[in-house]
Amino acid sequence: EVQLVESGGGLVQPGESVKLSCAASGFPFRDVAMHWVRQASGKGLEWVGRVRSKGNNYATEYGASVKGRFTISRDDSKNTAYLQMNSLRTEDTAVYYCIRHSFSLGWHCDLWGRGTLVTVSS
Amino acid sequence: DVVMTQSPDSLAVSLGERATINCKSSQNVLYSSNNKNCLAWFQQKPGQPPKQLIFWASTRESGVPDRFSGSGSGTDFTLTISSLQAEDVAVYYCQQYCTTPYTFGQGTKVEI
Repeated sequence: EVQLVESGGGLVQPGESVKLSCAASGFPFRDVAMHWVRQASGKGLEWVGRVRSKGNNYATEYGASVKGRFTISRDDSKNTAYLQMNSLRTEDTAVYYCIRHSFSLGWHCDLWGRGTLVTVSS
Repeated sequence: DVVMTQSPDSLAVSLGERATINCKSSQNVLYSSNNKNCLAWFQQKPGQPPKQLIFWASTRESGVPDRFSGSGSGTDFTLTISSLQAEDVAVYYCQQYCTTPYTFGQGTKVEI
């Protein structure tokens, strides 16, 4: 089955860290870029960042609000992408989605996971 | 960053009537490799992840009903629901995927 499954969310205190995982199946994971998008409760969608494929040197880019605090990585041998979140703030509370994208394969943010909720609160 | 602005923020449409959502980008969102507009539309229902309806501004995703159509080019785009059904009640987002950050519009809530 073609799917993305996020995990690792939960309740964390401000200033702490958490690492989210995104397990992919059913498609050539190594050939796509993996993006993370977040959504605070009742709010819109915010692009967090992406990690590109090996062919693009695993390049990463981040949104302004998370740059320097979050790190995206991937392990193609495990078909898994990661989002390492450090120095968490209350405003990072959101559902985090992983998404695939590949211009060459014709997949333009077409597949989303169901998301994992991160709550930052003391 | 490319700013995406949707209008209206919300709209109420009678069953069977047409719904039109507009999306304006602050810059041209043309993908130079194929001369297409890298603009997508998503539908999000409560408690669900967004579902892609349209990509390349006007290409319907497989399985999406043909009452959904996308149009536009350059900086101005439109999502049209030709005959609104009860199951179309949702929030709709546009997104540009030409350049990072892949920015989204603020969303348009469609109600009956």
